[in-house]
Amino acid sequence: KQEVTQIPAALSVPEGENLVLNCSFTDSAIYNLQWFRQDPGKGLTSLLLIQSSQREQTSGRLNASLDKSSGRSTLYIAASQPGDSATYLCAVDTGANSKLTFGKGITLSVRP
Amino acid sequence: EAGVVQSPRYKIIEKKQPVAFWCNPISGHNTLYWYRQNLGQGPELLIRYENEEAVDDSQLPKDRFSAERLKGVDSTLKIQPAELGDSAVYLCASSSRDSETQYFGPGTRLLVL
Repeated sequence: KQEVTQIPAALSVPEGENLVLNCSFTDSAIYNLQWFRQDPGKGLTSLLLIQSSQREQTSGRLNASLDKSSGRSTLYIAASQPGDSATYLCAVDTGANSKLTFGKGITLSVRP
Repeated sequence: EAGVVQSPRYKIIEKKQPVAFWCNPISGHNTLYWYRQNLGQGPELLIRYENEEAVDDSQLPKDRFSAERLKGVDSTLKIQPAELGDSAVYLCASSSRDSETQYFGPGTRLLVL
């Protein structure tokens, strides 16, 4: 059974800092890995999707990497801003009926 | 383009009462998902539809939960009777044939007293 872990559960950084959010998964036989953002009381917004054959994806100040063999992914946020404060969830698609297995998320707070 | 629409946004009911949630996916999206998200946890898939067919309902507690997507567009998720442990956020998502990206609605926050 696929398990996705995100540690730490919460993170607080000053504005402007570059930061890395980690995600690990137990079964390397994945179809893709996705990073989502969730604001309080809201649904999830897709940030980046990395196919199993890819190493990384970039969108603006966000860069996500994937190391399938070690079961790890990182989300890099450059020059963090208070508006980046949210919960970031990692999800793995095993390809079996496109079922996403989510981590518990990392709640990020960027202090002005 | 309108996103995924869900209603109601909030629902408070007493245990043993029935409750229903409605979802309208993004126009043209053939795949629809219902997830449950408990406090401090990631979402967990309850059921996935391809058009009007439920292709994965292995995680749906079928003794009290039911879902339908009769015309392959909007969908309803029902709980009858509700239990205290059903308190959670119920999220609907949709995706198209040519993309794995799932688009989520704002969710329905259910509180069972």
